[in-house]
Amino acid sequence: QKEVEQDPGPLSVPEGAIVSLNCTYSNSAFQYFMWYRQYSRKGPELLMYTYSSGNKEDGRFTAQVDKSSKYISLFIRDSQPSDSATYLCAMEITNDYKLSFGAGTTVTVRA
Amino acid sequence: DSGVTQTPKHLITATGQRVTLRCSPRSGDLSVYWYQQSLDQGLQFLIQYYNGEERAKGNILERFSAQQFPDLHSELNLSSLELGDSALYFCASSVGLLAGGPEEQYFGPGTRLTVT
Repeated sequence: QKEVEQDPGPLSVPEGAIVSLNCTYSNSAFQYFMWYRQYSRKGPELLMYTYSSGNKEDGRFTAQVDKSSKYISLFIRDSQPSDSATYLCAMEITNDYKLSFGAGTTVTVRA
Repeated sequence: DSGVTQTPKHLITATGQRVTLRCSPRSGDLSVYWYQQSLDQGLQFLIQYYNGEERAKGNILERFSAQQFPDLHSELNLSSLELGDSALYFCASSVGLLAGGPEEQYFGPGTRLTVT
């Protein structure tokens, strides 16, 4: 079993829909939870990160962490065709310096 | 553009050969990370250097080695290549604080390695 599990999709939604992405993990030592976006033929770029449990909002993006369930989510509101990409969750243990990534979910937003 | 550069963009080589991938971090960043991305394994952390010293090691094969030079650029050496080493290799850099974290890692465009 992988340390971080993420459904690879693909996920196809109409423009304006809410995109819901999630990851589960097994290592309770993870304290930092991140979401990266990767466009085709590009390197990943950090969208947002959350420390421990709770919610964080940044524009159309909301990240949620539930440490008791070992479950994290990313919601994209009012999705746009430009949001079409692969979204990867990533996690880190404090001062461990190693990111553990999920497999990535490929999202297509249809105009 | 993240500011991280990687060369070459593409590399095609034969099994058993050795290759070197090069990475220049963003100006001012002291930490460099190497990742391997393949269809079956996803994005996997290989190794991290901070200001010339190895700081963290992931699932890096013994056939692979890396170093960070005094000018902070880094090289990843892959030897005795196998078909399964075909993948995208990403370099990332970050400011490199001594403690705490996480730090935002800025990824380069990657080097696509094909082993035939």
